[in-house]
Amino acid sequence: QKEVEQNSGPLSVPEGAIASLNCTYSDRGSQSFFWYRQYSGKSPELIMFIYSNGDKEDGRFTAQLNKASQYVSLLIRDSQPSDSATYLCAVFSSGSARQLTFGSGTQLTVLP
Amino acid sequence: GAVVSQHPSRVICKSGTSVKIECRSLDFQATTMFWYRQFPKQSLMLMATSNEGSKATYEQGVEKDKFLINHASLTLSTLTVTSAHPEDSSFYICSATQGTGNTIYFGEGSWLTVV
Repeated sequence: QKEVEQNSGPLSVPEGAIASLNCTYSDRGSQSFFWYRQYSGKSPELIMFIYSNGDKEDGRFTAQLNKASQYVSLLIRDSQPSDSATYLCAVFSSGSARQLTFGSGTQLTVLP
Repeated sequence: GAVVSQHPSRVICKSGTSVKIECRSLDFQATTMFWYRQFPKQSLMLMATSNEGSKATYEQGVEKDKFLINHASLTLSTLTVTSAHPEDSSFYICSATQGTGNTIYFGEGSWLTVV
């Protein structure tokens, strides 16, 4: 069973703070890792993807990947109330079955 | 960026009837499309994976005779919920990927309410 685990939260941070979202996965052969943001009642939207160990930065977002620990995280700097949403970690499974496995999501609330 | 469009965004149908949801890739050829279902406050659950021109691969526990998936072209996949029941009410989301690319693009989702 290939699993992706996230802390469901809710996670609350004050406006301007750093929000840290964490995710672990069980399939050691996974190659690609994604963070999606989902507002209530809406479809997920891609924030970032990362393939290589280390950090990847895009604006206020930084994705961190550690394949040895099977751990991927998302940091949101200078959090804004508009960042309040559910953040979904997704892992592209290894092998020929090209499908995304999603974590249960972490609900983030940024308090003004 | 790539766009995936779903239609209808919301649909209400009577119990026992069938409803079709369309998923279109607007500016790329989607060799693989995925159908997910999401119940309130839960994560996305993969229902099936479809490749153009071949039968869909269904996840364990998903009834293939109830959820008919057709991927007849590289830009269109359809999900038909047959003999719908109130417990089928959910948010259905499609996604698509092109060729060997790893990025998956999501449609806007379709809210199905069965009354």
